[in-house]
Amino acid sequence: AQSVAQPEDQVNVAEGNPLTVKCTYSVSGNPYLFWYVQYPNRGLQFLLKYITGDNLVKGSYGFEAEFNKSQTSFHLKKPSALVSDSALYFCAVRGGLTGGGNKLTFGTGTQLKVEL
Amino acid sequence: DGGITQSPKYLFRKEGQNVTLSCEQNLNHDAMYWYRQDPGQGLRLIYYSQIVNDFQKGDIAEGYSVSREKKESFPLTVTSAQKNPTAFYLCASSPAGPRETQYFGPGTRLLVL
Repeated sequence: AQSVAQPEDQVNVAEGNPLTVKCTYSVSGNPYLFWYVQYPNRGLQFLLKYITGDNLVKGSYGFEAEFNKSQTSFHLKKPSALVSDSALYFCAVRGGLTGGGNKLTFGTGTQLKVEL
Repeated sequence: DGGITQSPKYLFRKEGQNVTLSCEQNLNHDAMYWYRQDPGQGLRLIYYSQIVNDFQKGDIAEGYSVSREKKESFPLTVTSAQKNPTAFYLCASSPAGPRETQYFGPGTRLLVL
């Protein structure tokens, strides 16, 4: 079985400061990892993904994520937070050996609040 | 959200009533998915389809049914057997293959009268 943990329900950060949203995972085989963002009453927007290769993945809106195989983590980062980054962030994983098509397992989400 | 439409935006269900949520995509994606979102629980997979005329149960399929008669369309019916249907329902689609990204529609909020 595959699983994702987002240990923080909420992260607060001041505008202009760096932000980190944490994610750890458990899968069979190599992991395929994704980050999505959700604004209120909207669908999920894709930010970035790790499939293979460079452990530092760059995505939309200045976000990046670092894949760490030994720590089974895929933390989302941004060097300088904006108030408009305030939203709900989801980490998701799919195992390379997982059968049943493209089933993704999502974490419970982390609410990011960026304050002036 | 581009390329995936869901309707209606809000839907009200009476006791004992079946309701159908629409999901259409013009991205030429082979695979389509339905998720349910409840506060604090993330997204849970209801059903998915990798190809026309075929679909599989996800983690919480009880009380739901789907069809996939066309590549572009994957409607979800919430039946009267679903005792707690109040939630935000999200449809997604993707190309075939485990490395592909799922893209989401804007969602339908279902409320029980």
